[in-house]
Amino acid sequence: GESVGLHLPTLSVQEGDNSIINCAYSNSASDYFIWYKQESGKGPQFIIDIRSNMDKRQGQRVTVLLNKTVKHLSLQIAATQPGDSAVYFCAENEGDYKLSFGAGTTVTVRA
Amino acid sequence: ETGVTQTPRHLVMGMTNKKSLKCEQHLGHNAMYWYKQSAKKPLELMFVYSLEERVENNSVPSRFSPECPNSSHLFLHLHTLQPEDSALYLCASRGTGKNSPLHFGNGTRLTVT
Repeated sequence: GESVGLHLPTLSVQEGDNSIINCAYSNSASDYFIWYKQESGKGPQFIIDIRSNMDKRQGQRVTVLLNKTVKHLSLQIAATQPGDSAVYFCAENEGDYKLSFGAGTTVTVRA
Repeated sequence: ETGVTQTPRHLVMGMTNKKSLKCEQHLGHNAMYWYKQSAKKPLELMFVYSLEERVENNSVPSRFSPECPNSSHLFLHLHTLQPEDSALYLCASRGTGKNSPLHFGNGTRLTVT
């Protein structure tokens, strides 16, 4: 079965507001997590990753938070822009090669 | 521009046809992947090659046949497909170490008629 999932399939956010996208995972042994963004007609694009020895990691306008106690991962996007409209996937490492993906959250930015 | 290139971008084929999808990566990675992406479903891992050896085969029907002639190229040979095989087929590559991200191509949109 699916070991990685997202809480909400869709998220509508006002331009300029902050977005929070959530993901729950079930494998407590997972030690590496990734967020991807997929725009229409394109493949998934790497946004940010985090290892299990960290709780937080920041990139440009994005922050990933990892709560291992409740097996929860979130992606925060600051000052959301129209170009942030896309489907966002979390992914979890399983074993040496396999990366398992959640179903995705579709983010729509309102002008 | 992605470092992983997939061709063709779109493919329409009949159930009796034979076709191949091609993937090329320019990132110097050692591992290459095939994923299937269907509407409303998570990405499904199909095959993984590491140093040209298949290391994952995720119970994929034999009508899908992968080939990895070298670490930069990956093919997916298709024959006698079914309409439910219509999907976006994504290729990805990965560098050394399991704690590294996959880099995806833009996929081949396959329609089986």
